[in-house]
Amino acid sequence: KQEVTQIPAALSVPEGENLVLNCSFTDSAIYNLQWFRQDPGKGLTSLLLIQSSQREQTSGRLNASLDKSSGRSTLYIAASQPGDSATYLCAVTQGGSEKLVFGKGTKLTVNP
Amino acid sequence: ETGVTQSPTHLIKTRGQQVTLRCSSQSGHNTVSWYQQALGQGPQFIFQYYREEENGRGNFPPRFSGLQFPNYSSELNVNALELDDSALYLCASSSAAPYTDTQYFGPGTRLTVL
Repeated sequence: KQEVTQIPAALSVPEGENLVLNCSFTDSAIYNLQWFRQDPGKGLTSLLLIQSSQREQTSGRLNASLDKSSGRSTLYIAASQPGDSATYLCAVTQGGSEKLVFGKGTKLTVNP
Repeated sequence: ETGVTQSPTHLIKTRGQQVTLRCSSQSGHNTVSWYQQALGQGPQFIFQYYREEENGRGNFPPRFSGLQFPNYSSELNVNALELDDSALYLCASSSAAPYTDTQYFGPGTRLTVL
């Protein structure tokens, strides 16, 4: 059974700092991994999707890497801003499966 | 391009009642998935519909049921509501199976069971 873990559960940083969020998964046979952002009480916004054959994806100040063999992904946020404050969730899908398996998320607070 | 929409936004029910939640998928998408997100947890997969047929189900009891319509909109029905059903219910749409494409989520329906 696939399990996804995110560390840390919460993170507070000053504005302008670069930061890394971690995601690990127990079964390396994944098709892809997605990072999502969730604002309080709201739905999920897809940030980046990495296919299993890829090593990283970049979008603006965000960079996500994937090491499938070790079951790990990181989300790097450069020059953090207060508007980046949210919960960040990672999720994986596996071959033959129709579902996303999520971690519990990392709650990020960026202080002005 | 219209995004994923859900209705209602909030709902309060009492234990034992039945509820129907609705989701309109993003234009051009033929796959809809439903997730339950309890407070402080990641979303849990309930089931998925592809071209009006159920295409997989998570570990939820039969009192959770669904439908997908020819226009690819979808309903989630929950019978005999229990207190633990209180959660944010999210639907997501995509244009292919989830393992090949990004899923786009709606804003969710907050269900409170008293």
